[in-house]
Amino acid sequence: EAGVTQFPSHSVIEKGQTVTLRCDPISGHDNLYWYRRVMGKEIKFLLHFVKESKQDESGMPNNRFLAERTGGTYSTLKVQPAELEDSGVYFCASSPFRGSPLHFGNGTRLTVT
Amino acid sequence: TQLLEQSPQFLSIQEGENLTVYCNSSSVFSSLQWYRQEPGEGPVLLVTVVTGGEVKKLKRLTFQFGDARKDSSLHITAAQPGDTGLYLCAGETGANNLFFGTGTRLTVIP
Repeated sequence: EAGVTQFPSHSVIEKGQTVTLRCDPISGHDNLYWYRRVMGKEIKFLLHFVKESKQDESGMPNNRFLAERTGGTYSTLKVQPAELEDSGVYFCASSPFRGSPLHFGNGTRLTVT
Repeated sequence: TQLLEQSPQFLSIQEGENLTVYCNSSSVFSSLQWYRQEPGEGPVLLVTVVTGGEVKKLKRLTFQFGDARKDSSLHITAAQPGDTGLYLCAGETGANNLFFGTGTRLTVIP
């Protein structure tokens, strides 16, 4: 089966611009998660979808971040406007049901200059 | 915020040596997971431990969950160059999101 895919793999943008990251979970996985690692820090939870619904968005840093999962398939994470501290690696993960192991994508490395 | 501290942060050993990586927290977790991450890739799950005191073995890797479910260790016997990578522990509190540790970067020298 195809794994979790993320696009783009790298993105370099200027401060103030907008960037949209995309995640395609494993087919049939209702649970989709976004995590990120900023420089020198541990990987941190951002939010969790169950199908198209936001189950938990307690990790979203501020209202410049907007995640969507229309139709319950792929998800997008938009950062608008991007700030320097948003630089890092954004990981997406999916699982078929609550409590089952997460499958991570390879991440999108975002650099804000 | 649950904080998981891993030690050591960096470890460089010769092939054939044994090593132990520690993952410690003041918080109690419903389960604890160990991941390995290669450059340019996402974390890959190695094992999940659920019960306090639980020990799981995966070939040369032995994982243990502390009795109080606050800490864990990963022991590698006779390390191989293929074991090189970033090892991450992650605790789950029951809310189905993970709190990741700070990571241990292991290098095994042939």
